[in-house]
Formats: sequence, structure tokens, C-alpha cells
Amino acid sequence: GQNIDQPTEMTATEGAIVQINCTYQTSGFNGLFWYQQHAGEAPTFLSYNVLDGLEEKGRFSSFLSRSKGYSYLLLKELQMKDSASYLCAVRDGDYKLSFGAGTTVTVRA
Amino acid sequence: TAGITQAPTSQILAAGRSMTLRCTQDMRHNAMYWYRQDLGLGLRLIHYSNTAGTTGKGEVPDGYSVSRANTDDFPLTLASAVPSQTSVYFCASSEEPNQPQHFGDGTRLSIL
Repeated sequence: GQNIDQPTEMTATEGAIVQINCTYQTSGFNGLFWYQQHAGEAPTFLSYNVLDGLEEKGRFSSFLSRSKGYSYLLLKELQMKDSASYLCAVRDGDYKLSFGAGTTVTVRA
Repeated sequence: TAGITQAPTSQILAAGRSMTLRCTQDMRHNAMYWYRQDLGLGLRLIHYSNTAGTTGKGEVPDGYSVSRANTDDFPLTLASAVPSQTSVYFCASSEEPNQPQHFGDGTRLSIL
């Protein structure tokens, strides 16, 4: 089975930076995904890491360390619309995704 | 708009009744998935299909069945609903199993 841990909630101020950590223990590893989910909506794909290092995509960056079983999602220049749940998901050796419970980020003015 | 269509949007169902949740995608994706999302538990995989004609069990398959007769459709059936199946159900698809998944808007199902 998979064990994926991420903080339940985080609060930050508009314009600030927030880092969401994700640790995982899996049987096999074929990549790590981050999804954004606004309340009452479907998850949408944000980023994908399969090799160690930092992937940057505009205001969002994602980092992976396979040896530590660790990833983070960095949100820069926070905007009110970034208030959402952020889901860490790990793909196992059979290419199935396991999701963490999600981190709810609240951006305050 | 191209993508994944789920129906119904929401449903209230009496325990013991059967129900089929529909999922259709027009992206010609090979892989399709069904998840349930419950508060505090995150998304959990019910069943998946890597290509038309094949299906597999996910983390929580009991009480659910699926079929994949063609590329576009992946219905999820509850044969005899129980209150613990109250959840939000998401269908997803990906071009191949190793590609990012795209999600439908979900079906909110309440079993009374």
C-alpha cells in the first residue's frame, strides 16, 4: 500500500509564498503529481516530477527527492484565487495513483 | 467543450437500490479511472481501465463494478447501495497510464 502525508491546512497572505510538503512511502515509484482542487470542483493537474530536482511552471514550482520520499509544491506571489486544496499523488509501480488527503490553503488579504 | 462528462451531477438513492454512474470522454484517452472522495480521506481509486476491454481493481473496489466496452465510456455500477457509499465520485482519464489524469466534474451520491 501507499502512505502519503501532507499538512491538513495552511494560511498565507496575498503576495506571499507558501510551501506545501508531501512525504510518501510507496511500493514502487513512477512519478509524483500535484493537483489543485477548488471547493466543489474537479481536481486539475498542476505539475509532475519523476526525476529529482525542481520543476518550475510560472508561479508554481514542484520539487522531488526520491531518496528522501519527499516533495514540495511552492506557490509564489499568492493570489486570492489560489485558495484551494492541493493534492499530492504518487504513481506506483503499476501506474496507479494514490492521493494524499490534501492541503487546504487559505489566502488572506 | 471537450473533456469528460459525468452523469448525473447528483443523486439521492435508497439503500439496496442499484445505480449506474455514467462517464464519457471525447479525448480518445486509453486509460480511465473511478475515484471516490470523502472528507479527510482524499481520493481513493475504485476501479481502472488501462485500455478498452480491460479493467482492474483499485484500492476500494468492493460493492462496485465497471465495464469498458469501448474507448469513450466507463460506467460505474453499484449493485446494491449501502450508506457507506455516500461520497463524491470522480471519473478521470489519461492518454496513457503514465500520463497526467484529467477529471470530470464529479457525481455527488447520497445513500439513505
